Amino acid sequence: DAGVTQSPTHLIKTRGQHVTLRCSPISGHKSVSWYQQVLGQGPQFIFQYYEKEERGRGNFPDRFSARQFPNYSSELNVNALLLGDSALYLCASSEGVLDGYTFGSGTRLTVV
Amino acid sequence: GESVGLHLPTLSVQEGDNSIINCAYSNSASDYFIWYKQESGKGPQFIIDIRSNMDKRQGQRVTVLLNKTVKHLSLQIAATQPGDSAVYFCAERRNNNDMRFGAGTRLTVKP
Repeated sequence: DAGVTQSPTHLIKTRGQHVTLRCSPISGHKSVSWYQQVLGQGPQFIFQYYEKEERGRGNFPDRFSARQFPNYSSELNVNALLLGDSALYLCASSEGVLDGYTFGSGTRLTVV
Repeated sequence: GESVGLHLPTLSVQEGDNSIINCAYSNSASDYFIWYKQESGKGPQFIIDIRSNMDKRQGQRVTVLLNKTVKHLSLQIAATQPGDSAVYFCAERRNNNDMRFGAGTRLTVKP
């Protein structure tokens, strides 16, 4: 069975650009959450989506947005990239809002 | 402010010894706690969880202890193996369902 898949695995962008990261949850999982992990730190919560609706939002600026599609896959968008946005972006899926998470391997974003 | 934190950033143990990784939390409203293992280049991997109505839970070679009185969580790994070398995170789930992670403890197992 496929786990949580994220694409791309690595990405280099220039300051001011926009980026879209993609996540496909485990089959049957309806909830997707996004986390940002800066090197040497624990993951920080960005968003949670369930049944295409936003169910939670962390302390991130409006430059960060996300959406979930009818097939439960999700996109994370970041506008006006800053050097500080360089991080590993993790997607996690779960069956429901209160169920345990399974994480993908992440997208390594480098902003130069 | 409330946070999830870890007592030690690094832990080095001899292969075969038991490991204990500690975590302090301060949000008394958190109802669910999870330990994750993260290897280099990979996402966090679920190890074991515990709900706030329990004080101990055991898995294969791992035990999680929850002390709500002092808001402390620990992960015990029995007979630590080289494959256990990784960064370990504790996480608490709050009412709005976002999971808050600590900074992590790097476990190194010496052969």
